[in-house]
Amino acid sequence: ETGVTQSPTHLIKTRGQQVTLRCSSQSGHNTVSWYQQALGQGPQFIFQYYREEENGRGNFPPRFSGLQFPNYSSELNVNALELDDSALYLCASSPGGTGELFFGEGSRLTVL
Amino acid sequence: GEDVEQSLFLSVREGDSSVINCTYTDSSSTYLYWYKQEPGAGLQLLTYIFSNMDMKQDQRLTVLLNKKDKHLSLRIADTQTGDSAIYFCASEEAAGNKLTFGGGTRVLVKP
Repeated sequence: ETGVTQSPTHLIKTRGQQVTLRCSSQSGHNTVSWYQQALGQGPQFIFQYYREEENGRGNFPPRFSGLQFPNYSSELNVNALELDDSALYLCASSPGGTGELFFGEGSRLTVL
Repeated sequence: GEDVEQSLFLSVREGDSSVINCTYTDSSSTYLYWYKQEPGAGLQLLTYIFSNMDMKQDQRLTVLLNKKDKHLSLRIADTQTGDSAIYFCASEEAAGNKLTFGGGTRVLVKP
């Protein structure tokens, strides 16, 4: 059984640029959630996708957007990057929207 | 919105018990979770408890829930050096699509 995989693992961008992060969910899981974890803090909910539809969103501006594909993989897009967007971005899949989340190892984004 | 608070740091000797505490504000939380994060890694689900339960035991882990005081604790029996990590508690909204995490408790196990 393949777990949750994320790419890229590390990336560096400059202010104003755009970034796309990718996530492959665990086999059999139809729900994907994205979390932002700033250094030294707990993860904060960005949004969740269930069967290709957004199913809840946290307190993040519209420049954070996402997609889920028919195979349940997902993308997180962030436009107009700001310095405060520097963080570990965690993708988690679950079998049907429960809180039993299976996390990937994250994509560490640094914005200079 | 929901707020989840944890103490920052816990130091414990190998073989002793660890107790990590957490408080939350949303009385309608349905499930409460404990996750573990090791350096450079994502989060790993350790255990969870349904809000109508007081206690749940899972091998070395014991979760206690005081719903009246909105207090959750995780006890790790016979703590090992491999238990050194950051532990997060999280509450799940009644709608079931969002977890609110605490800031994490860093546990250091000394030989």
